[in-house]
Amino acid sequence: DTGVSQDPRHKITKRGQNVTFRCDPISEHNRLYWYRQTLGQGPEFLTYFQNEAQLEKSRLLSDRFSAERPKGSFSTLEIQRTEQGDSAMYLCASSLGGQSGNGYTFGSGTRLTVV
Amino acid sequence: DQQVKQNSPSLSVQEGRISILNCDYTNSMFDYFLWYKKYPAEGPTFLISISSIKDKNEDGRFTVFLNKSAKHLSLHIVPSQPGDSAVYFCAGLYNFNKFYFGSGTKLNVKP
Repeated sequence: DTGVSQDPRHKITKRGQNVTFRCDPISEHNRLYWYRQTLGQGPEFLTYFQNEAQLEKSRLLSDRFSAERPKGSFSTLEIQRTEQGDSAMYLCASSLGGQSGNGYTFGSGTRLTVV
Repeated sequence: DQQVKQNSPSLSVQEGRISILNCDYTNSMFDYFLWYKKYPAEGPTFLISISSIKDKNEDGRFTVFLNKSAKHLSLHIVPSQPGDSAVYFCAGLYNFNKFYFGSGTKLNVKP
């Protein structure tokens, strides 16, 4: 098991372009989470899935953002018509159900730069 | 809404001494509190946690204290080592499915 994998590690895009990120969770984990971390801040919750069902979305997730987990395994996060304010580190995490302590594993993130 | 706050952006400590990182929160409904350590270009790595019904949890050199009346928790690292230098995030876990993170404290342990 290689942990939570995120691809790509870095993405530079021009404003107005669409981007898509992928997250592969730990294989037996049924929950998958997306967070966004901007410079100088801690990660902020965006959304989470239990299997293929998206159970909660933050108001931070505007209409330009969409996340999917079609088969309950990997997930994609798409940002349409990117803006400079979307520049951030996008983190994915997974867990087996709702865990109490060390049951959540984070990936290394995708750093998005919108120019 | 900043439900978890870390008011010290940085801390510098001499190797072998104690490091104390502080965190304040506003939401009394957190189930757990966790400390994560983060190196540049990596995701947060779990360090230690404490249930909201406990007041202390210890794991080796790391101890977390929870003061519910003050809505305050702290992480003690004794003795501090240069390898502990990283950014430390405090987080509250709500409903076992959502983290609220503080803004982080950058710890520098000087040899």
